[in-house]
Amino acid sequence: NAGVTQTPKFQVLKTGQSMTLQCAQDMNHEYMSWYRQDPGMGLRLIHYSVGAGITDQGEVPNGYNVSRSTTEDFPLRLLSAAPSQTSVYFCASSYGGTTLYEQYFGPGTRLTVT
Amino acid sequence: AQSVTQLDSQVPVFEEAPVELRCNYSSSVSVYLFWYVQYPNQGLQLLLKYLSGSTLVKGINGFEAEFNKSQTSFHLRKPSVHISDTAEYFCAVRQGGSEKLVFGKGTKLTVNP
Repeated sequence: NAGVTQTPKFQVLKTGQSMTLQCAQDMNHEYMSWYRQDPGMGLRLIHYSVGAGITDQGEVPNGYNVSRSTTEDFPLRLLSAAPSQTSVYFCASSYGGTTLYEQYFGPGTRLTVT
Repeated sequence: AQSVTQLDSQVPVFEEAPVELRCNYSSSVSVYLFWYVQYPNQGLQLLLKYLSGSTLVKGINGFEAEFNKSQTSFHLRKPSVHISDTAEYFCAVRQGGSEKLVFGKGTKLTVNP
């Protein structure tokens, strides 16, 4: 199992550009989520999905879009990049339902917006 | 809304000394508590979790944590740290019935020789 994979590892964007951060998991997990990590802020939830076709907003959703067409993939789209979106982005997945399972994290994507 | 407070942003210790990393959460009827570790330039991995039952939870790498409902705390401890424990540690809380995991701001543990 590859676990949770994220591409790219690093990305530099200019203000106003758009891009998609890719996330995939091969563990058949129902639940997937995106976090951003900023110094001194911990991890903040951007969007999450409890299954294919179902997404919801987290704590800091503005400026980001998601969709979940398959169980495996959960891409994060930046519509018009801003310097405030400079951050490290982590994707995570876990089994869902009423039983709690741990979240598995990807290695992260470091994004710089100039 | 649920919140998590990690009381120390940085904790320097010497090798083989004991360490305690503190975590408090806002009160709720039922919560599930987690500690994650992040080594430099890596993602997060689970150290331990409290779901129910015994309030003392043991995790990987010799870490343990104690759930204290009356003090709404979930402090992480290790009796003797190694250089390799240098990392950032995150406390996280999931409220019963919620899908969301709320993280604290992290504590950077630096183990010095």
